[in-house]
Amino acid sequence: GNSVTQMEGPVTLSEEAFLTINCTYTATGYPSLFWYVQYPGEGLQLLLKATKADDKGSNKGFEATYRKETTSFHLEKGSVQVSDSAVYFCALFNTNAGKSTFGDGTTLTVKP
Amino acid sequence: GAGVSQTPSNKVTEKGKYVELRCDPISGHTALYWYRQSLGQGPEFLIYFQGTGAADDSGLPNDRFFAVRPEGSVSTLKIQRTERGDSAVYLCASSLNPAGEGEQYFGPGTRLTVT
Repeated sequence: GNSVTQMEGPVTLSEEAFLTINCTYTATGYPSLFWYVQYPGEGLQLLLKATKADDKGSNKGFEATYRKETTSFHLEKGSVQVSDSAVYFCALFNTNAGKSTFGDGTTLTVKP
Repeated sequence: GAGVSQTPSNKVTEKGKYVELRCDPISGHTALYWYRQSLGQGPEFLIYFQGTGAADDSGLPNDRFFAVRPEGSVSTLKIQRTERGDSAVYLCASSLNPAGEGEQYFGPGTRLTVT
């Protein structure tokens, strides 16, 4: 079956620090990969996506590269801001299954 | 344009009662998904509709859970004889093309508390 494993949190960083949140997956076929973000008091929002191997998704300074050889989709940002404090979810979508599988989320807190 | 909406935003009910949770997807989105999110966990798939029919209901935990989408737009998740373990945030999402890249748009969720 499909599964997503995320780096356990919580993660606490100072403003302008470098961020990496690890994500690895197990899936049949060739899934699309996503990072969703949930800001305090808000719903899940799509942050970025990649649909095939070696694709790089990017948005708001965040990046993640679809690595098929290591079945990974790690999220990175070069310089975090206080406003990036949120819960980040890695997810895969398998077209054959027609549904998404999510990791358990990683809570990021950025301190000024 | 309008996003996915869910009502109510919060629902408190007593053990054993019946509840209905409503989802209004983005207009024109043919695929609709229900997920359940417990504290500290990611969303867990419940059921997926393509149009009016349930394409996959393998995530429904037992026969107390049922969902409908009679006109291919609004969907209702129904829970009978609620139990305390049903307490969670119930998320709805919609997608324009379920066979495509899988990008889903989520509603704000309904927080269900069973006392």
